[in-house]
Amino acid sequence: QVVLTQSPSASASLGASVKLTCTLSSGYSRNAIAWHQQQPEKGPRYLMKVNSDGSHSKGDGIPDRFAGSSSGAERYLTISSLQSEDEADYYCQTWGTGSWVFGGGTKLTVL
Amino acid sequence: EVQVVESGGGLVQPGGSLRLSCAASGLTFSSYWMSWVRQAPGKGLEWVANIKYDGSAKYYLDSVKGRFTISRDNAKNSLYLQMNSLRVEDTAMYYCAIGDPEYWGQGTLVTVS
Repeated sequence: QVVLTQSPSASASLGASVKLTCTLSSGYSRNAIAWHQQQPEKGPRYLMKVNSDGSHSKGDGIPDRFAGSSSGAERYLTISSLQSEDEADYYCQTWGTGSWVFGGGTKLTVL
Repeated sequence: EVQVVESGGGLVQPGGSLRLSCAASGLTFSSYWMSWVRQAPGKGLEWVANIKYDGSAKYYLDSVKGRFTISRDNAKNSLYLQMNSLRVEDTAMYYCAIGDPEYWGQGTLVTVS
């Protein structure tokens, strides 16, 4: 079964950029993943799907400040021009046989 | 605009039952896989179950197999989760998710105590 690994926390300053990483376990480096944002006390929100070739497709209304990319078994979410509302938990997710797997999430703090 | 609204959560004793519902609008419900995802207090997201667009395939998290049943009514644009033999560890916010998932609800809280 695939495992997704994320750093528990990250921080960056208002207006700066940050790159979050999601690492696929061995043997699953070609899996696509999805990124989801969960602001405090809210339900998750779909951001985008990121393929192994780095191409990505965003959800409805997701601003250009959010971008996805890939390298090997790593999938990235880059957020530019950080705003206070970007402070949230970010989860990556992939698809197993009939099931979903989530990473543990990264808590992003905007300083 | 897509709207997803869960209901049916509440406080229940261990061994009890609850039925969650999810009403979706703004999309062609019958074209999408539907899923339930839960989040225990202070924890991350955990997939629970999903169902194919026509109900012909269903998958479950191992720890809920035999206790939870996912179903849907495409005529009512609704998804359900029947939860029996509830355990303290089932306490969580339960979210309805549509598609891969491209859309999420705001959740309904289930407390087993």
